[in-house]
Amino acid sequence: SQQGEEDPQALSIQEGENATMNCSYKTSINNLQWYRQNSGRGLVHLILIRSNEREKHSGRLRVTLDTSKKSSSLLITASRAADTASYFCATDDQAGTALIFGKGTTLSVSS
Amino acid sequence: DAMVIQNPRYQVTQFGKPVTLSCSQTLNHNVMYWYQQKSSQAPKLLFHYYDKDFNNEADTPDNFQSRRPNTSFCFLDIRSPGLGDAAMYLCATSAPGAYQETQYFGPGTRLLVL
Repeated sequence: SQQGEEDPQALSIQEGENATMNCSYKTSINNLQWYRQNSGRGLVHLILIRSNEREKHSGRLRVTLDTSKKSSSLLITASRAADTASYFCATDDQAGTALIFGKGTTLSVSS
Repeated sequence: DAMVIQNPRYQVTQFGKPVTLSCSQTLNHNVMYWYQQKSSQAPKLLFHYYDKDFNNEADTPDNFQSRRPNTSFCFLDIRSPGLGDAAMYLCATSAPGAYQETQYFGPGTRLLVL
């Protein structure tokens, strides 16, 4: 299985603090993606980082990728209550035909 | 706005009573996916279509079937729902030839089996 594993499973912070989530995977990848899921809703794509990239930014999001360690991190700076959600990393499967999602990190941001 | 639409948002069915969930998209994407997501778990791919080519995941139960009559619509049929099939069902699309690229998800249908 090439499933990503997120760490921690749950994270609680105050508004304004930074939140860091980590993802580890098992085999080589073409790219790694992060998705957000608000409670009871579908997933929303946040950012895609390719295997030849080391860091990528999008607004308050910063993603890093270390292919030698088979790991990625998602940093959300200056968190807001609206960032409360589950965050999933996803990698391509070995057949290259689908994404495999990790179990997710549940982020709770309190005001 | 281009989007992925799922109907209904909530579906209640009885044990063993067939149920159909629908998904439509205005993105004109060739690839459509169905995922099952149980509480506090990762979305699990059931199957996907590349155009009309159907691709079933090896561990998807035979109880789950799918139809794609045209580019815009895709249906998930559960022939005899069991209590263990209660879950959120997510439809997603991606652009042609871009399996590993961005997927666009609908809001999901939450299925309750009584």
